[in-house]
Amino acid sequence: AQSVTQLDSQVPVFEEAPVELRCNYSSSVSVYLFWYVQYPNQGLQLLLKYLSGSTLVKGINGFEAEFNKSQTSFHLRKPSVHISDTAEYFCAVSVGGGSQGNLIFGKGTKLSVKP
Amino acid sequence: GAGVSQSPSNKVTEKGKDVELRCDPISGHTALYWYRQSLGQGLEFLIYFQGNSAPDKSGLPSDRFSAERTGGSVSTLTIQRTQQEDSAVYLCASSLWGGHNSPLHFGNGTRLTVT
Repeated sequence: AQSVTQLDSQVPVFEEAPVELRCNYSSSVSVYLFWYVQYPNQGLQLLLKYLSGSTLVKGINGFEAEFNKSQTSFHLRKPSVHISDTAEYFCAVSVGGGSQGNLIFGKGTKLSVKP
Repeated sequence: GAGVSQSPSNKVTEKGKDVELRCDPISGHTALYWYRQSLGQGLEFLIYFQGNSAPDKSGLPSDRFSAERTGGSVSTLTIQRTQQEDSAVYLCASSLWGGHNSPLHFGNGTRLTVT
């Protein structure tokens, strides 16, 4: 069965520092990978996605992620964070071969940016 | 344009009562999903609709949970004889056609509290 592991439940960081949120997945077939962000009291919104092609994917708000097939990872990075990036970030996988588009989510990482 | 709308935003109910949660997807989106978000548990898939049919109900936790979708649009998630463990945020999402290249758009959720 497919699964997604986000190793860090909480990541505190100071403003303007770099950040990496880790995500590992398990699947024996091709996968499609996503990062969603949930700001306080809001619904989830898509940050970026990897479907095929270049393994470095750029998303909104200056975030990027790199798909590493050999390490089954899809870590999210930002070189310099802002207070407004404080939110919960979810990594998700959609397994190839189907048309459902259903996502399996990790448990989330709460990013807290401090001044 | 209008996003995914869920109502009510908050619902407090007594144990044993039935509740109905409503989702209005983005107009024209054929795929609709229900997820449950519990504290520390991430997002748990409940059910997926393509049009009015539900090809995947595998995530419904018990027979107390049911969902329907009418007119290829509005969906209702019903929980009968609610239990305290049903307390969670119930999220609805829709996508254009449900494939992997069709991102999910989430509503802000319904926070259900069973007392």
